[in-house]
Amino acid sequence: QVHLVQSGAEVRRPGSSVKVSCKASGGSFSNYAINWVRQAPGQGLEWMGGLIPLFHATNYAQSFQDRVTFTADESTSTAYMELSSLTSADTAVYYCARDSAMYSHSFNFDFWGQGTLITVSS
Amino acid sequence: VLTQSPGTLSLSPGQRATLSCRANESVHSAFLAWYQQKSGQAPRLLIHGATNRATGVPDRFRGSESGPDFTLTISRLEPEDFAVYYCQQRTFGPGTKLEFK
Repeated sequence: QVHLVQSGAEVRRPGSSVKVSCKASGGSFSNYAINWVRQAPGQGLEWMGGLIPLFHATNYAQSFQDRVTFTADESTSTAYMELSSLTSADTAVYYCARDSAMYSHSFNFDFWGQGTLITVSS
Repeated sequence: VLTQSPGTLSLSPGQRATLSCRANESVHSAFLAWYQQKSGQAPRLLIHGATNRATGVPDRFRGSESGPDFTLTISRLEPEDFAVYYCQQRTFGPGTKLEFK
């Protein structure tokens, strides 16, 4: 059983950046895309993009591609999402989620982290 | 872009729920998924590849497709089924809230 554990809640000032981690256990980390999805308070789900660690291949949603970076450390089975130039509109719960397809993107996410609340406030 | 209807569905336990998802351009069914999300929880994959139940999902949940339209049917609602449901093909639809009538 795959288990994704995310880092804890953070508070950031507008204009700063934040880096969220997602540590995987119980499966093959490198072969499956780790995606990032966020959810603003009371709102729906928003796909931010994904990374296949084995290929270091990223796939960013257009609305985030200028200020988000996905990385992965295969030695610790940990994926990271860094979001810069934060505004209050970035206040949300950020989830990591594993794609069910090996070596590619199917956009069917079978395992999810518990979510990380990022609050942007002055 | 995916649209979902209705926005809110009010039903009672034991009833049948039909949730719709439509894409404004061609969507390969292999990339269409349905999720259930309960308040304060991460989403849960219900259906992948438009019609395949994920591991552990009860058989009262069924996914189907007809052209650009995708449907999630819950045959007999249980109390634990009342939640928000999202379809996804890369991006997510806006969701359907299934609430108690």
